[in-house]
Amino acid sequence: QKEVEQDPGPLSVPEGAIVSLNCTYSNSAFQYFMWYRQYSRKGPELLMYTYSSGNKEDGRFTAQVDKSSKYISLFIRDSQPSDSATYLCAMSAGNQAGTALIFGKGTTLSVSS
Amino acid sequence: DGGITQSPKYLFRKEGQNVTLSCEQNLNHDAMYWYRQDPGQGLRLIYYSQIVNDFQKGDIAEGYSVSREKKESFPLTVTSAQKNPTAFYLCASWARGAYGYTFGSGTRLTVV
Repeated sequence: QKEVEQDPGPLSVPEGAIVSLNCTYSNSAFQYFMWYRQYSRKGPELLMYTYSSGNKEDGRFTAQVDKSSKYISLFIRDSQPSDSATYLCAMSAGNQAGTALIFGKGTTLSVSS
Repeated sequence: DGGITQSPKYLFRKEGQNVTLSCEQNLNHDAMYWYRQDPGQGLRLIYYSQIVNDFQKGDIAEGYSVSREKKESFPLTVTSAQKNPTAFYLCASWARGAYGYTFGSGTRLTVV
């Protein structure tokens, strides 16, 4: 079993839809959870960051972590064509510089107008 | 503006050649990383460095080499021993207490 599993999609939705992106993981030591957004031929950019369990909201984006189920989610409300990108989940057991993040394979999202 | 600069953006390599990818950061971050991204494979760690003059192998270090002579610079050499070097290469850095990595814009390497 891979440490982090992420459905690669592709996922296609109409503008205005609610999008749910998910990752599961196997390492119970993971405490720090991140979502990155990557546009085509660009480097990933940090979108959301969560420590331990719970929810975090930032505008149209909500990140959820359920450590008991080893499951994390990213919700996008009122999706826009500009949200079309690949979304990568990432996680680690620590947050010291030098820690290596473990990434999911990414889910490709397409939002049509 | 602070950030990570990767160069060149596109690189073509002939069979049997070594090539070096540049990564420079002015964020004063201690740790730097190299990842390789292939379609359907996600990001795979090649090498990382926590401090100057020290670095560790990642999951797919074979056929690659790095150096960390300066805090700001972490170049990656793709050697002729790397059998399938065509990929998108990403450099990243991380400061103590920061929220995750800052990535560069990547270098697309193609073997011709």
